[in-house]
Parts: sequence; C-alpha cells; structure tokens
Amino acid sequence: QVQLAESGGGVVQPGGSLRLACGTSGFKFDNYGFHWVRQAPGKGLEWVAFIANDESNIYYAESVKGRFTISRDTSKNSVYLQMSILRGDDTALYFCAKGPSGKSYGIDVWGQGTMVIVSS
Amino acid sequence: DIVMTQSPASLAVSLGERATIHCKSNQSVLNKYNDKKYVSWFQQKPGQSPKLLIYWASTRESGVPDRFSGSGSGTDFTLRISALQAEDVAVYYCQQYYSIPPGFGGGTKVEIK
Repeated sequence: QVQLAESGGGVVQPGGSLRLACGTSGFKFDNYGFHWVRQAPGKGLEWVAFIANDESNIYYAESVKGRFTISRDTSKNSVYLQMSILRGDDTALYFCAKGPSGKSYGIDVWGQGTMVIVSS
Repeated sequence: DIVMTQSPASLAVSLGERATIHCKSNQSVLNKYNDKKYVSWFQQKPGQSPKLLIYWASTRESGVPDRFSGSGSGTDFTLRISALQAEDVAVYYCQQYYSIPPGFGGGTKVEIK
C-alpha cells in the first residue's frame, strides 16, 4: 500500500526556517519523482517544488525560488523541503505528492499534509 | 507558464443529475509524439487531501467509479460526473503536467442542490 506521511510543520516567526519531511512506503522509492504542493487556508492548490527520481531535475515555483530547497534521501525513503526566510504568505498546508514515474510532472498519490503557520 | 482556467467556480447539482466542469489551458498540453494530453483531475473532499481521478485527460484511475469521465482536446478539457452521488460533494481541480510549473486550476466546488 502506497503511503506518504509528512511531518515537521509548526508555527514559525517571519524570517525563520523549517524543514518538512515526507516518509514513504509501499513502493520502490528510487523509481519515482516527488512534489511539494501547498494549500493556503480556504484556497486552492499551489505547486511548490519537484525532484526527479535521480535528482537530475529539480524545479521550484517562482514564489519560493532561492528560499526553499527540495531534497531526497534514498536510505530513508524520504523527501524533504527545507524552507527559509519564511513569510506570512507561506502559511499553508504542505502536501508531499508522488509522481507516476521518475521524471513525470504528474501526481498520483498525495500525503495528508503538514501545516505551516508563519506568524509573530 | 501554462495557466489552467477552471469553470464554474461552484456548481449545485441535484442527486442523480450530471455535473460538468471545464478547464482551459492557455497553451496546448498535447504531446504530438505520443498523442497524450497531459491533464489530470483531482477530487478533494472536505478535510482530506486530493485524490487522483483522471490522468492523460481521459484515463480513469484504478478504483474510481465509472460515473467520472474526462475528455478534451489540446486546450479544452471536461470532467463529467454522470449521476451525482452525495459522496461526490468536493472541490475538483484540473492540473497540467506537460511542463514546469505543473499548475492547477482554481477549483470547482460541487454541492448538492
């Protein structure tokens, strides 16, 4: 059974940093790319970042470029999102999402999300 | 960037009636080499994460009821729910995965009339 479980969310002050983690199970981790997608309270879905299965392709939304870093650790079957210089408009539920293949930009499975609140 | 524009923003349909949601891209998302349209549809029920319903514009994900169907050309796409059930109350999103950034439509909230 394919499962994604995000963790690491919380309350952080503007300008602060936070690292989100996405633990995975039920499939061969090395074969798939992953996304982070966020959803501000009461709003729609906003794509944040993508990492290919072999890390050959890494992309970011313009709104987070230079502040967020996506990475993956095969030994832990996990994907990470390092967030820095956080702003109020980064407040959102952050979803980890699995791609259907190594380099496809599609999404086939979502985690439950972890909430990030940026507030003083 | 490819922009996905969804309509309507909300929709109220009687139980058993058809619901139709539209999504238009500002550029083609058709790959002429494999003849595939890089559009997915997701369902997000209140308090839940999104769930994949349709990919390649018209391929139903395993386990998705056949009352859900997708269609479309290179820039105009449609999600249909043939006979709305109470459990279909949700927000529906289209997404293009043809290019980066793989953006989403603004969502369509489907309610029972």
